[in-house]
Amino acid sequence: KAGVTQTPRYLIKTRGQQVTLSCSPISGHRSVSWYQQTPGQGLQFLFEYFSETQRNKGNFPGRFSGRQFSNSRSEMNVSTLELGDSALYLCASSLFPESTDTQYFGPGTRLTVL
Amino acid sequence: GQQLNQSPQSMFIQEGEDVSMNCTSSSIFNTWLWYKQDPGEGPVLLIALYKAGELTSNGRLTAQFGITRKDSFLNISASIPSDVGIYFCAGSNAGNMLTFGGGTRLMVKP
Repeated sequence: KAGVTQTPRYLIKTRGQQVTLSCSPISGHRSVSWYQQTPGQGLQFLFEYFSETQRNKGNFPGRFSGRQFSNSRSEMNVSTLELGDSALYLCASSLFPESTDTQYFGPGTRLTVL
Repeated sequence: GQQLNQSPQSMFIQEGEDVSMNCTSSSIFNTWLWYKQDPGEGPVLLIALYKAGELTSNGRLTAQFGITRKDSFLNISASIPSDVGIYFCAGSNAGNMLTFGGGTRLMVKP
C-alpha cells in the first residue's frame, strides 16, 4: 500500500511569489491535515480537510489556504511568500478526522524562500 | 507557538541504556501521542494514549498518559543504534489537530 505522497519534494521561490503544494493521501484515507515544521517554531498545525471541507484551522495568516478534492487529494497554497515561510510542509492522512492513530505523515515538501 | 514543553531537548545514549523523556502542558489534552522522525521523513506514530493514567507499551517503548491530563512520558529500554532520531510528543483535543512538543533529539555517544 503506497504511503502519503507529497509533491514537489523541494521548492525554491522568491519573496512575493505564491506556491502550491500537493498531497495524495493513502488510498481510502479521507482526512488530510497539513503542518509546518521550522527549527524555531517546531511542528505547527495549519489545517485539516475532510470531505472537501475544512474542519479545523491553525493560527496562520490568511495567506495560507488549502482545499481538498473529491478524490481526497489536497493542495495548500501560500501567497505573497515571506522569508519566514521557509519550512518543511508536512501532510498527513487518516481514515477519518477522529482516527488519530491511523494518521500517517508524508515525507514533506521543503520550501525555501529567497 | 508551541504549548507543550518537552525535555530533554537532546541526549546522548549508549547502546543498552534506558532513555526517558517527558512532555508537560499548561492545558489539558484528551489524547497524547508520541512520534519519531528520521532525517528526510515525516513523523511516525509510536504510541497513542487515550485515557488518563493509561500505560501503554510498544516493544521496548512504554508511554504513560498523566493523571492530570497535562503530561506524558516516554521510556525506551535497552536502546539500540536505530533509536537515534527526534522524538516528539503531541496532544490533541480535536481529532487530528495536534499540538506538538519541541522534540527530543537522541544521539549516540561517541
